[in-house]
Amino acid sequence: QQQVKQSPQSLIVQKGGISIINCAYENTAFDYFPWYQQFPGKGPALLIAIRPDVSEKKEGRFTISFNKSAKQFSLHIMDSQPGDSATYFCAASIRGNEKLTFGTGTRLTIIP
Amino acid sequence: DAGITQSPRYKITETGRQVTLMCHQTWSHSYMFWYRQDLGHGLRLIYYSAAADITDKGEVPDGYVVSRSKTENFPLTLESATRSQTSVYFCASRADRGAYNEQFFGPGTRLTVL
Repeated sequence: QQQVKQSPQSLIVQKGGISIINCAYENTAFDYFPWYQQFPGKGPALLIAIRPDVSEKKEGRFTISFNKSAKQFSLHIMDSQPGDSATYFCAASIRGNEKLTFGTGTRLTIIP
Repeated sequence: DAGITQSPRYKITETGRQVTLMCHQTWSHSYMFWYRQDLGHGLRLIYYSAAADITDKGEVPDGYVVSRSKTENFPLTLESATRSQTSVYFCASRADRGAYNEQFFGPGTRLTVL
């Protein structure tokens, strides 16, 4: 049972472009939505996270947009760079529950 | 500051053998987790632990056993390895309950079961 659905599975973006990865969730009890970034041969690392009391969070070139009514959230990478090439995972959790439910991942490739 | 380490990094074993993957963290985090990563499935939780001697099942616990006698260690054992357990395994930890559920991941163990 996939509680967090992520798309696309893979994405190719030109350098300087905008990368957009989407996630949708089913459980309305989720109240914490992080994005993790994983480089080849490494473990995932927290990139940015949002709580549903705000519709957007920005950190540098990375922005999370959150739509509570649609139960969707997305990661936008502005001015994408080759160094952003990695696999990105969205996730969700419920306050007081230590478990994260992950999406299936998006392999992002930034081409020159 | 080593953070969270996993050993071995690579392991090849045969069907039916017992395999133990090690995880060690230096932060004294209360919570520790084991995930497996497979293409098309993302990261799936196998087991997690809230403290020493407290463990609980995740999404895909069958065929795995965990223990946590010390806060810093959380070994994962495959009692009788099967080919379907070929995967990349990640250990993670997080601090006590706080405002954010940030988990810190180890570098992973790539396990191949022949």
